Amino acid sequence: LAKTTQPISMDSYEGQEVNITCSHNNIATNDYITWYQQFPSQGPRFIIQGYKTKVTNEVASLFIPADRKSSTLSLPRVSLSDTAVYYCLVGDRGSGDKLTFGTGTRLAVRP
Amino acid sequence: DTAVSQTPKYLVTQMGNDKSIKCEQNLGHDTMYWYKQDSKKFLKIMFSYNNKELIINETVPNRFSPKSPDKAHLNLHINSLELGDSAVYFCASSQDWQGGYEQYFGPGTRLTVT
Repeated sequence: LAKTTQPISMDSYEGQEVNITCSHNNIATNDYITWYQQFPSQGPRFIIQGYKTKVTNEVASLFIPADRKSSTLSLPRVSLSDTAVYYCLVGDRGSGDKLTFGTGTRLAVRP
Repeated sequence: DTAVSQTPKYLVTQMGNDKSIKCEQNLGHDTMYWYKQDSKKFLKIMFSYNNKELIINETVPNRFSPKSPDKAHLNLHINSLELGDSAVYFCASSQDWQGGYEQYFGPGTRLTVT
């Protein structure tokens, strides 16, 4: 069971870079690492996904070391609208017990 | 132009009643899911259907029964509602159930059982 561990909460200020690390020591060979963002009263929204090394899109970067036992979501120059809960998800979706999102990291961005 | 829609958005009902939540996706995806998010904000998979076929059925009471009339719809029927069923229920879809396909979530249905 690829359980994930993330910090419960983080604080930042507008314009700063935020890095949220997720630990997944039991990650399996077929597992992908996916990050979602959830605002209050909304469903989670896909941010980024990776398997190994680094992935970058218009919203974030995802850093995955060679052993894949952790991953870091990097949000460049956050704004107030980035205040949300961020979930790290590990799995191949073939097994339901890998689709529990966990507690997530509550990011608060201040002016 | 909503990708994944759910109805109703809010549902307040009494213990013992039977209720249904409907979900539709217009993305052409093969796989749909039901998740439950409790008061502690844990988001846990309940069911998953791929092309109308049940592929994931987690430890969920038999009172919960999913039904997929076609691959664009996945409904959730709940019998004999209990206080502990109060939660937000999210429907989601993905292109396929294998590999790293991202999931698209609906807006959620907030169920309150009194």
